[in-house]
Amino acid sequence: SQKIEQNSEALNIQEGKTATLTCNYTNYSPAYLQWYRQDPGRGPVFLLLIRENEKEKRKERLKVTFDTTLKQSLFHITASQPADSATYLCALERGNNAGNMLTFGGGTRLMVKP
Amino acid sequence: DGGITQSPKYLFRKEGQNVTLSCEQNLNHDAMYWYRQDPGQGLRLIYYSQIVNDFQKGDIAEGYSVSREKKESFPLTVTSAQKNPTAFYLCASSIRGTGELFFGEGSRLTVL
Repeated sequence: SQKIEQNSEALNIQEGKTATLTCNYTNYSPAYLQWYRQDPGRGPVFLLLIRENEKEKRKERLKVTFDTTLKQSLFHITASQPADSATYLCALERGNNAGNMLTFGGGTRLMVKP
Repeated sequence: DGGITQSPKYLFRKEGQNVTLSCEQNLNHDAMYWYRQDPGQGLRLIYYSQIVNDFQKGDIAEGYSVSREKKESFPLTVTSAQKNPTAFYLCASSIRGTGELFFGEGSRLTVL
């Protein structure tokens, strides 16, 4: 089965800096990978999806890369703001005709200080 | 507004009792899912349903049961057979065949 590693330690950065979060996986390479944001006590909210044939995807201040050789995805938030403070979850498509089945990482908590 | 509604948000249960968590969506999505989240851990899939009147076990289905009698509704019952039921439960839906999941606000179950 797929194993996903996200840094369990919180990432603390200063406002205005770029935050970079890492998602590493083992075993098979998924057809696509997703990133979600989760605030305390709330459900996750979808941010971005990147497919295996895409190297990079952007949405406003967000950028995701997908390296199938390294089996890694990087999630960047540029010009970070305190409102970006949350836990960010990486999720991988399971493959094997599993439809929308996703395997989630444990998430990395981001703290942006003013 | 379209979305997913979970209820109750907080629930306390005595050991040995069954409880049912509600999940309703008005997004007209075919697929619905139940996940469990424990502190510091990723979401784990309990059950999923790709279509009405059909559902499949996920990774941790033991001690849980579901039904899918209507497209809009996918209730989850946590039975007394579930050994560690205290957790945050999340319901989600998606358009069949696409990746993005839409989540509800979650239900926090505490067993006393």
